[in-house]
Amino acid sequence: GAGVSQSPSNKVTEKGKDVELRCDPISGHTALYWYRQSLGQGLEFLIYFQGNSAPDKSGLPSDRFSAERTGGSVSTLTIQRTQQEDSAVYLCASSIRGRSGTEAFFGQGTRLTVV
Amino acid sequence: GDSVTQMEGPVTLSEEAFLTINCTYTATGYPSLFWYVQYPGEGLQLLLKATKADDKGSNKGFEATYRKETTSFHLEKGSVQVSDSAVYFCALNTGTASKLTFGTGTRLQVTL
Repeated sequence: GAGVSQSPSNKVTEKGKDVELRCDPISGHTALYWYRQSLGQGLEFLIYFQGNSAPDKSGLPSDRFSAERTGGSVSTLTIQRTQQEDSAVYLCASSIRGRSGTEAFFGQGTRLTVV
Repeated sequence: GDSVTQMEGPVTLSEEAFLTINCTYTATGYPSLFWYVQYPGEGLQLLLKATKADDKGSNKGFEATYRKETTSFHLEKGSVQVSDSAVYFCALNTGTASKLTFGTGTRLQVTL
């Protein structure tokens, strides 16, 4: 597609369930980012993939959060045993290369609500 | 570590007023600086950027100048329109860290 695609756009889940969020980056982009945007808050960095390098997981808030990027393209963010504080908009972005000065293109996000 | 500080919003202006949204940063090395904008119901999109000191980024009538001496990248527009109502995020990245570090965002509301 022409842009970064995320699915689902909305997800309501019960506390304690696992959820998977998907991101399809722009074709040819080697860098992929996940961010979290909570109500009234800024963008919180979660994880960053660049090519075949080991991902930067320094922003993952707990071991309930994990992410994979298969074949250097599609990425899945998994949240296990969801908690109410996990409710937020999860944003994915990609860039042609993960270097200073390069523009990141964002998807529309997945709005996660944990009830 | 890297950080970005933005003025808190919301900022409410009348149409045709002058806009300034302050942004200062802390970074190791020489960062690139960005302003992203999030219009209601839309995703984040790049508004402008500057990659070295004294560079001026500009787009859609918005400008920001990379000031290394004051570690600032303030966003300005001479005459805002209702259609500029959005949330504006200042951000940076460096060659070493690569990830984008964002400020908390500033909501701008422009009224007739």
